[in-house]
Amino acid sequence: QKEVEQDPGPLSVPEGAIVSLNCTYSNSAFQYFMWYRQYSRKGPELLMYTYSSGNKEDGRFTAQVDKSSKYISLFIRDSQPSDSATYLCAMGRTGGGNKLTFGTGTQLKVEL
Amino acid sequence: DGGITQSPKYLFRKEGQNVTLSCEQNLNHDAMYWYRQDPGQGLRLIYYSQIVNDFQKGDIAEGYSVSREKKESFPLTVTSAQKNPTAFYLCASIDFPGNNQPQHFGDGTRLSIL
Repeated sequence: QKEVEQDPGPLSVPEGAIVSLNCTYSNSAFQYFMWYRQYSRKGPELLMYTYSSGNKEDGRFTAQVDKSSKYISLFIRDSQPSDSATYLCAMGRTGGGNKLTFGTGTQLKVEL
Repeated sequence: DGGITQSPKYLFRKEGQNVTLSCEQNLNHDAMYWYRQDPGQGLRLIYYSQIVNDFQKGDIAEGYSVSREKKESFPLTVTSAQKNPTAFYLCASIDFPGNNQPQHFGDGTRLSIL
């Protein structure tokens, strides 16, 4: 069983839809959580970073962490065609040398 | 502009050949990382370095080698011992290890077999 599970998609939604992307994890040692966006042939860019359970909002993006259920989510409101990309969840352990464990990525397409 | 520069963007390897991928950062970051990305497998850690002249193996180090002679540079050599080198290679960095902050990535090198 992988430490981090992420639905690979692909996920196709109409413009303006609310998108929910999810990851589950099995290792309770993970303490901080990230979402990255990766466009084709590019490196991942950081979207959201959270350290505690609860919600964190940044513009159209909301990251949610539930440590008790070992579940993290990224919500995208009013989705745009420019949001079409692969979304990677990542998580790390305190004292782990900043090594991260990544999900496999969810491919999202927002259609006009 | 501060950032991480990976070169070349595309690289082709012949059978039995070693190739070196470049990663340079001008962020004054202490720690640097190399990942391999394959379709459906996410990012897997090859090697990482937390300080100059020191580096550690990641989860899939076999067939790869690195050096860290300068703070800003962390080249990755894909040796002939790596039998399946075709992948997208990503370099990342962080200001100093142990602060639990996110990594920042370059734009990758795509390596293919001729």
